[in-house]
Amino acid sequence: GIQVEQSPPDLILQEGANSTLRCNFSDSVNNLQWFHQNPWGQLINLFYIPSGTKQNGRLSATTVATERYSLLYISSSQTTDSGVYFCAPKGNMLTFGGGTRLMVKP
Amino acid sequence: GAVVSQHPSRVICKSGTSVKIECRSLDFQATTMFWYRQFPKQSLMLMATSNEGSKATYEQGVEKDKFLINHASLTLSTLTVTSAHPEDSSFYICSAGDSSLIGYTFGSGTRLTVV
Repeated sequence: GIQVEQSPPDLILQEGANSTLRCNFSDSVNNLQWFHQNPWGQLINLFYIPSGTKQNGRLSATTVATERYSLLYISSSQTTDSGVYFCAPKGNMLTFGGGTRLMVKP
Repeated sequence: GAVVSQHPSRVICKSGTSVKIECRSLDFQATTMFWYRQFPKQSLMLMATSNEGSKATYEQGVEKDKFLINHASLTLSTLTVTSAHPEDSSFYICSAGDSSLIGYTFGSGTRLTVV
């Protein structure tokens, strides 16, 4: 199956800072999703992004399918951005990376 | 948008008993549903894939006789943890997909504690 690596595994930011999360995957994929898992465990879909760039408010994502990576940008981070960010490329099924655990300090 | 409802959100059971978790697609027909397990501070691991009207496909290492999956309708899949033991304590999450959906939608998860 697809191997997925996310970096960094842990990230601490001061409120207002920007950050970039990376997701590398080992094979061609049909689609890719980025999720935010909040402290209660709920997975919230952020982006469906098989290729190209999408933006939604302070978040944007870019997937370069030919080079097998995706990036999630968080600008002007807020404490509510804290949680775990997962990328999940889809081949036959979604495969989750190990996640980036983000803590935003006030 | 697509909504997946999962119940219960939290359950505590005694060792040796069985627990059923329900996953419902509220506004779409889910031809395929997936069950994941997540241990603390770890990623989601796929347990099984269920297709409406057929037997579930289990991932390697997942005991099909212990984790019974039923997908009897296009809107409901259930996961039953049989003869639960403390090591089965975990966060279980379902997701649902349909051929018309771009991606997958996740339920809110069930935190199972076996005492």
